[in-house]
Amino acid sequence: QSVLTQPPSVSGAPGQRVTISCTWSGSNIGATSDLHWYQQLPGAAPKLLIYGNTNRPSGVPDRFFGSKSGTSASLAITGLQAEDEADYYCQSYDSGLSAWVFGGGTKLTVL
Amino acid sequence: QVQLQESGPGLVKPSETLSLTCSVSGGSISGFYWNWIRQPPGKGLEWIGYIGYSGRATNNYNPSLKSRVTISVDTSKNQFSLRLNSVTAADTAVYFCARDRGPGNYYGMDVWGQGTTVTVSS
Repeated sequence: QSVLTQPPSVSGAPGQRVTISCTWSGSNIGATSDLHWYQQLPGAAPKLLIYGNTNRPSGVPDRFFGSKSGTSASLAITGLQAEDEADYYCQSYDSGLSAWVFGGGTKLTVL
Repeated sequence: QVQLQESGPGLVKPSETLSLTCSVSGGSISGFYWNWIRQPPGKGLEWIGYIGYSGRATNNYNPSLKSRVTISVDTSKNQFSLRLNSVTAADTAVYFCARDRGPGNYYGMDVWGQGTTVTVSS
């Protein structure tokens, strides 16, 4: 069974750059499975932020960057703004289990 | 623009069956995969399962919930449903429905409902 591991929390001051990591463990699906990122503002539903490892849906600011290398992926946010304070989740697909898997989530605090 | 709306009882008694419906508006239910995801209070997201429909339905469920879950589709009403049997307090959560284009697809879950809170309590 695959697991996606994220740091529980990250923080940064307005204008700074922060990164959130997402690492596959348990089985080597990371090299072949696409990874997606979601932003969940307080009290709201998750919103697709990055799809296919690196792509932003229409309307997502270009301050958000996704990257993937082997069994690790990262979400970078540049020019941090107060409105970015949210929970962020990575997601991928475990083809062995035929199941979507979410990371545990990372709470971003803007100082 | 496709929109999803969850509906169903907000309170379910232990050992009973949780039933929710997700109504799809602004687009067809055919040709996509439709997921249920839940989020216990203060915790992260957990995928429950999906149903895909392109003339015939195909399902898959989270192995940890598989014995208790059924997801079905009603194309005449453009909606899909979740049934979770033998609920306990651990099933208390916000339940979301979401759309994607297939297992492991490149595009992720691009449309989400607003979520509905279900509490399991006597």
